[in-house]
Amino acid sequence: EIVLTQSPGTLSLSPGDRATLSCRASQSVSSTYLDWYQQKPGQAPRLLIYGASRRATGTPDRFSGSGSGTDFTLTISRLEPEDFAVYYCQQYGSSPFTFGPGTKVDIK
Amino acid sequence: EVQLVESGGGLVQPGGSLKVSCAASGFTFSSYDMNWVRQAPGKGLEWISHIGGAGRTKYYAGSVGGRFTISRDNAKNSVYLQMNSLRAEDTAVYYCARLYSSSSGRALDMWGQGTMVTVSS
Repeated sequence: EIVLTQSPGTLSLSPGDRATLSCRASQSVSSTYLDWYQQKPGQAPRLLIYGASRRATGTPDRFSGSGSGTDFTLTISRLEPEDFAVYYCQQYGSSPFTFGPGTKVDIK
Repeated sequence: EVQLVESGGGLVQPGGSLKVSCAASGFTFSSYDMNWVRQAPGKGLEWISHIGGAGRTKYYAGSVGGRFTISRDNAKNSVYLQMNSLRAEDTAVYYCARLYSSSSGRALDMWGQGTMVTVSS
């Protein structure tokens, strides 16, 4: 089973700041199968980035993904008020299709 | 409108059974693999099961294998999760999600609103 570790657990930032979220895999994951989701309280998750770097439909261009192998990054270039949420990475390369524990981005 | 709507959640005693459903609309259901993902109160997301478009390919998380069974009825545009031998730790919101798959990647691109399952005496 591929274990995903996300860091930091919580990121306290201000609107306008740059956010850098990390997702590290216990073994190599094809970049084709590394995805990022955003979840706000009381809502279902929403797909942001798929294939490590491809923005899903409707994802603003301030969100970008990068990485390969075991190290992946989600970057939010300038935080908007609606971006304060929890972010999860997931690998869909091999079953079980595990999620990371999440990074909460909250307002400083 | 493209949507997924879960139903069937509720309160069940430990050791009991429950079947949750997910009705799809607005897209060609049989062309998509489907998944169930759950979230315990205050916790993160846990992937639990996948079923292929024709219903032949199935995968399960180790935490539910042997107790949960995923199935689908393409004529009814629905996917199901039969949950047996339920435990307190199965208490969660259960989401169904559609799998987008292409040469560029695979990801859960559409989610339902979730249905709450509570296992308690």
